[in-house]
Amino acid sequence: QVQLVESGGGVVQPGRSLRLSCAASGFPFNNFALHWVRQAPGKGLEWVALMSYDGTKEYYADSVRGRFTVSRDISKNTLYLQMNSLRHEDTAVYYCARDVSITILGMDVWGQGTTVTVSS
Amino acid sequence: QTVVTQEPSLTVSPGGTVTLTCAPSSGVVGSHHYSNWFQQKPGQAPRALIYSTSHKHSWTPARFSGSLLGGKAALTLSSVQPEDEAEYYCLLYYGGTWVFGGGTKLTVL
Repeated sequence: QVQLVESGGGVVQPGRSLRLSCAASGFPFNNFALHWVRQAPGKGLEWVALMSYDGTKEYYADSVRGRFTVSRDISKNTLYLQMNSLRHEDTAVYYCARDVSITILGMDVWGQGTTVTVSS
Repeated sequence: QTVVTQEPSLTVSPGGTVTLTCAPSSGVVGSHHYSNWFQQKPGQAPRALIYSTSHKHSWTPARFSGSLLGGKAALTLSSVQPEDEAEYYCLLYYGGTWVFGGGTKLTVL
């Protein structure tokens, strides 16, 4: 079945870096855009980034643009989120979610999330 | 950046009908915003309900429907069940980027 599994979360000091992974299975990786979404403790959802189905386009929220980079490894069916210059406000559960289709229409399947804590 | 507003909380009786709305800080919601709706229960990942304004996923119960209503995106729950008690989030598309609403806590009482 369609599955997304995030990993790579942990505790990191402000200003440091962390890379999250999202392993996809059960669907053709090249046929769907993929999103990163985060949720700070006790807060709502925040869209973070998107990689297009063919890997040619990336989009970012203003809050992370210039610090976060999305990438992918097709051979591993894995999406990544490289997070640099981390701040306390980046503390959140990070989810990866599949777009509904090859054209960007929103999300359908979500992973269970990985927790990032930025703390000194 | 656009701020998207939802009702902070709503209460509905079992078997009743309730409509949640989603409005941007400027302008109106149109079909080009591809509005999405998600349900999230405590300790769980969000679950997708509606995409592109009114399209249901294969797992979306028939009692959930999406629409545009008075310049806002809307999610209507009919014949509400106790298990529908949850936080609901809308999501709007802005030319490459997406913005979530602040969420509506729906209580079934």
